[in-house]
Amino acid sequence: QKEVEQNSGPLSVPEGAIASLNCTYSDRGSQSFFWYRQYSGKSPELIMSIYSNGDKEDGRFTAQLNKASQYVSLLIRDSQPSDSATYLCAVNPRGATNKLIFGTGTLLAVQP
Amino acid sequence: DVKVTQSSRYLVKRTGEKVFLECVQDMDHENMFWYRQDPGLGLRLIYFSYDVKMKEKGDIPEGYSVSREKKERFSLILESASTNQTSMYLCASRDYRGEQYFGPGTRLTVT
Repeated sequence: QKEVEQNSGPLSVPEGAIASLNCTYSDRGSQSFFWYRQYSGKSPELIMSIYSNGDKEDGRFTAQLNKASQYVSLLIRDSQPSDSATYLCAVNPRGATNKLIFGTGTLLAVQP
Repeated sequence: DVKVTQSSRYLVKRTGEKVFLECVQDMDHENMFWYRQDPGLGLRLIYFSYDVKMKEKGDIPEGYSVSREKKERFSLILESASTNQTSMYLCASRDYRGEQYFGPGTRLTVT
């Protein structure tokens, strides 16, 4: 079992729709969770961090964390073609406060 | 804004050459990281440093070494480049909340 799992996609959504990206993790003691966006040929860019159960909203982005289910998700409202990218989920595992474990990412394609 | 810079965007080296990749951050962060990213394998941690002259191996340290002589600068060294080290190399700097910020990356090709 991979430590951080994401569906590789592609996830295709029409412009204006809600895109829902999901991530599961194996270490129940994980404390911090991050979402990165990576355009093709570019480096990852941090878009959201979440540390406690529930929802955290920032503009069109909402991160959701459910530690009991070991599940973190990212919702993108009013999706735009410019949101088309690979979205990486990253988890800070228990006992390794300096490190992040990354999923392999979900490719999102927003169709105009 | 956090700024992380890397010395080269693209680099082509020959097998057996010694390769230096440099990374500089301007936020006085203690923790810095080197990753490589390959299709299908995701981001893999090579080494990280939690203070000047302090380093720790990541998941794939073989064939690499690092140097951190100043807080703002973290260097990755390929002692004798091999073709299987052709990859995208990403440096990151970490703040007190655990958020990591990446540099633009260096795409290294070893021929």
